[in-house]
Amino acid sequence: DTGVSQDPRHKITKRGQNVTFRCDPISEHNRLYWYRQTLGQGPEFLTYFQNEAQLEKSRLLSDRFSAERPKGSFSTLEIQRTEQGDSAMYLCASSPRGGSYNSPLHFGNGTRLTVT
Amino acid sequence: AQTVTQSQPEMSVQEAETVTLSCTYDTSENNYYLFWYKQPPSRQMILVIRQEAYKQQNATENRFSVNFQKAAKSFSLKISDSQLGDTAMYFCAFILSGGSQGNLIFGKGTKLSVKP
Repeated sequence: DTGVSQDPRHKITKRGQNVTFRCDPISEHNRLYWYRQTLGQGPEFLTYFQNEAQLEKSRLLSDRFSAERPKGSFSTLEIQRTEQGDSAMYLCASSPRGGSYNSPLHFGNGTRLTVT
Repeated sequence: AQTVTQSQPEMSVQEAETVTLSCTYDTSENNYYLFWYKQPPSRQMILVIRQEAYKQQNATENRFSVNFQKAAKSFSLKISDSQLGDTAMYFCAFILSGGSQGNLIFGKGTKLSVKP
């Protein structure tokens, strides 16, 4: 168990640019989640995959955001035309079969995005 | 809509002493799960303890225990024999049973400092 891995750890970008983050979940976990955490707040749910299927998307996930999980392994989160309000920590988590209330979420270290 | 409130932005405790972190939540549903997650500085968020709403018995995990008061919608975390490694942000979280798998609702967190 090498844990949930996220890349990059930090990303600084100019407003209007596109960015993409990657998450590698724990290998036997079939569920993968993306959360966003802004300063002074708890994480907020963005989206959730079961295997390769994106089963839920939060209203926070505007049309500038897109997430994929090809082949049910790693996942990418892309933000197009970034805005300063997108500056946050983007957390990825995974869990085994059973769901987040039966099994604890295993979080990665996050990707800190700064939009200038 | 469900909400989670942590009314203590920051707390401190002396090493080896006991501290209680408060959490209240609001829901009209009867079946749900409650969690405390710990986020150490620059490290991954990890699950501390979990409570099923249908269980009257308070959950315990070594030095960590909860006081779950369902009628009052209160879910406090007690840390006994505090250790320096307990220094972290602590997030209370809620999820409906049978509902969204990913939509853990987090409070804003309590920053706990354990002083030597």
